[in-house]
Amino acid sequence: GENVEQHPSTLSVQEGDSAVIKCTYSDSASNYFPWYKQELGKRPQLIIDIRSNVGEKKDQRIAVTLNKTAKHFSLHITETQPEDSAVYFCAARVAAGNKLTFGGGTRVLVKP
Amino acid sequence: EAGVAQSPRYKIIEKRQSVAFWCNPISGHATLYWYQQILGQGPKLLIQFQNNGVVDDSQLPKDRFSAERLKGVDSTLKIQPAKLEDSAVYLCASSLPGSDEQYFGPGTRLTVT
Repeated sequence: GENVEQHPSTLSVQEGDSAVIKCTYSDSASNYFPWYKQELGKRPQLIIDIRSNVGEKKDQRIAVTLNKTAKHFSLHITETQPEDSAVYFCAARVAAGNKLTFGGGTRVLVKP
Repeated sequence: EAGVAQSPRYKIIEKRQSVAFWCNPISGHATLYWYQQILGQGPKLLIQFQNNGVVDDSQLPKDRFSAERLKGVDSTLKIQPAKLEDSAVYLCASSLPGSDEQYFGPGTRLTVT
């Protein structure tokens, strides 16, 4: 089955700096890659996603890149703010209707 | 729109006891998921329903876990008997047919002592 590895497990950045989280996946048939943000004690919420026919996607300060050949994808947060502090999870899915496999999470701390 | 509802929010039980969790998905969402999230880890899918049918239960420990969605709307997840390693947050999520986005509920935090 699919295996998703996520790095780093913790990330501390100064407010205004950029944060980058990387994930690798094992199944070359995976075609959908969402990123979820989970604040302490709250539910995971989708912040951005990308499909395998696209190499990059941006939404304001957040961007995701996908390298299908290398089987890795990354989340980029620019101009970080304290409210970006949370745990971020990447995930991969093989086909529509199939299950999401999540990475282990990255705890991001933005220091003011 | 109302979100995914779950109850209870917290539960503390002793090992070997039984426990049940309830989930009501967003109206119209035919697909329902139960995830187990152990502290410090990502969510792991336990079971996925499409209406009242099971799509994937490959990671459900069937000797102690069971789930049902009899009328294709709300769902219950049961653990009997519980073990210490079942301590986790149990998240329910739902999605529209053919849609990629899963909407998560607030979760039930289970502590087994």
